[in-house]
Amino acid sequence: GIQVEQSPPDLILQEGANSTLRCNFSDSVNNLQWFHQNPWGQLINLFYIPSGTKQNGRLSATTVATERYSLLYISSSQTTDSGVYFCAGGTFTGGGNKLTFGTGTQLKVEL
Amino acid sequence: KAGVTQTPRYLIKTRGQQVTLSCSPISGHRSVSWYQQTPGQGLQFLFEYFSETQRNKGNFPGRFSGRQFSNSRSEMNVSTLELGDSALYLCASSLVIGNSPLHFGNGTRLTVT
Repeated sequence: GIQVEQSPPDLILQEGANSTLRCNFSDSVNNLQWFHQNPWGQLINLFYIPSGTKQNGRLSATTVATERYSLLYISSSQTTDSGVYFCAGGTFTGGGNKLTFGTGTQLKVEL
Repeated sequence: KAGVTQTPRYLIKTRGQQVTLSCSPISGHRSVSWYQQTPGQGLQFLFEYFSETQRNKGNFPGRFSGRQFSNSRSEMNVSTLELGDSALYLCASSLVIGNSPLHFGNGTRLTVT
């Protein structure tokens, strides 16, 4: 199956700093998503981004499908950005929408 | 629009018992997926349903099963519970099967003693 590698595993930022999270895939995927799990366990979809670039407020993501990686950019970080960021990928073959998740990047934003 | 609703939020069961978890997808969403999250294994895919049919299944034993009803609501069942089944069980819905964003519920925290 697909292997998903995320880096860095842990990250501590001062409020206002910028950061880049990376996700590498062992094989091509046509379904790639980024999620944020807050400290209360809620998993929020940030981006559905199988290719190209998308932006949503202070967050943006870029996927280079041909090179099998995706990047999540967080600008002007806030304490509410703390939590775990997961990327997940899969290939829709007509049978379903199975996603393989990475192990996540644990982000802590400090004042 | 209401999000994905999972019930119950917390559950404590004894080894050997069985448990049923429920998931109501976002209105209009027809695909429902289930994931297990543990500290050791992370997030792992259990199964996906669309139009009352299981479309994909992860690498879990047959003790884990599920179903989807005509209104797209889904249930998953775990029989003969083991200590290792203690986990956060997350349900996600998407508009269609295939390449569309997944939206997760708040999960059911299952503790097996």
